[in-house]
Amino acid sequence: NAGVTQTPKFQVLKTGQSMTLQCAQDMNHNSMYWYRQDPGMGLRLIYYSASEGTTDKGEVPNGYNVSRLNKREFSLRLESAAPSQTSVYFCASSEIAGESNYGYTFGSGTRLTVV
Amino acid sequence: GDSVTQMEGPVTLSEEAFLTINCTYTATGYPSLFWYVQYPGEGLQLLLKATKADDKGSNKGFEATYRKETTSFHLEKGSVQVSDSAVYFCALASGGSYIPTFGRGTSLIVHP
Repeated sequence: NAGVTQTPKFQVLKTGQSMTLQCAQDMNHNSMYWYRQDPGMGLRLIYYSASEGTTDKGEVPNGYNVSRLNKREFSLRLESAAPSQTSVYFCASSEIAGESNYGYTFGSGTRLTVV
Repeated sequence: GDSVTQMEGPVTLSEEAFLTINCTYTATGYPSLFWYVQYPGEGLQLLLKATKADDKGSNKGFEATYRKETTSFHLEKGSVQVSDSAVYFCALASGGSYIPTFGRGTSLIVHP
């Protein structure tokens, strides 16, 4: 099925370890996003990529880096994980053409625990 | 800046009750408006959308009308089911902007 695929689905890290969350979409969307979701905090944007070759910081970028590898793939890296980064991470993509926004498609999430 | 305000939950209803989840927004220009649903353990799914004033979005028995005069996009369903239990997010995207603005989400619990 067409959509956004995230890997892994679950991960446990020790404080200080690094890891990369992978995201790929097969809808030929230009824009891709990384969010984190914490209880009572709603969705918070970490980084986004408006188009291939560009990335920009969102609301909570500290402690994260991203790579837009190609049009399909957008990865999120934690260089030195901290317990405060325990969260559910969602990747999303969208097609925005001029003034038209067709909505956002989300992956199923990565549940990350940092101990 | 843009903002979305949703009613706080949880909203608790009995099966077959009428549902309203309020959503109001602040935005420049004429944004597109969305409702997303998140079932337990899953990602957000687009439920419905409206792109201009007076448009009505509808899907799976849910409806919402884009009201520019009251800057609102309230979600309604005539008869809820237990399977509608989920968290509902209202969102907007201003014209040409890459960054959506999401509300905090409203949890709906439907009892048999």
